[in-house]
Amino acid sequence: EAGVAQSPRYKIIEKRQSVAFWCNPISGHATLYWYQQILGQGPKLLIQFQNNGVVDDSQLPKDRFSAERLKGVDSTLKIQPAKLEDSAVYLCASSLAGVGETQYFGPGTRLLVL
Amino acid sequence: AQSVSQHNHHVILSEAASLELGCNYSYGGTVNLFWYVQYPGQHLQLLLKYFSGDPLVKGIKGFEAEFIKSKFSFNLRKPSVQWSDTAEYFCAVTPRGNYQLIWGAGTKLIIKP
Repeated sequence: EAGVAQSPRYKIIEKRQSVAFWCNPISGHATLYWYQQILGQGPKLLIQFQNNGVVDDSQLPKDRFSAERLKGVDSTLKIQPAKLEDSAVYLCASSLAGVGETQYFGPGTRLLVL
Repeated sequence: AQSVSQHNHHVILSEAASLELGCNYSYGGTVNLFWYVQYPGQHLQLLLKYFSGDPLVKGIKGFEAEFIKSKFSFNLRKPSVQWSDTAEYFCAVTPRGNYQLIWGAGTKLIIKP
């Protein structure tokens, strides 16, 4: 079974530039999560999709972050414009359903904003 | 606000030592509890989880965790660690019926060969 795929694996940008991350969840998984993990901290949920609808985006900084999951499969997360404090690892995870299900994680995208 | 506390940020042990990593959460209701592990260079993966039933849960690679409701704790244990257990361990909690997984800050475990 293929795991959660993410690209790119690494990205370095200047502040105020834009960046986009892509995630392909495990086939058949209805729920997709984007997390931000800052060095030394646990993952923080940014947004959760159930199929192509948003379940929770309460911690997504909507003035600069956006995410979509068209057709309920792949997802993209965008930051525009980036700030220094956005430097982190962005993790995508998926699960079969939602509440309480095991989440399967991708390798993450390590973002450095200079 | 709900939170998860992992008391030790770094733990260093010798091989064959016993391990206990603490995890406490702040939520008065029913919860689902998880331990995830991230080995160097690898993805986060599930180690074990507790939803209901026997509060002593066994996971992969000889790990176990005990849910003590009165102490709001879900400590991770292993009787004899190996060098290959070197990793970062995360405790996570979701209030029953809630979608959001609340994560601890993680504990970096280093096993000296």
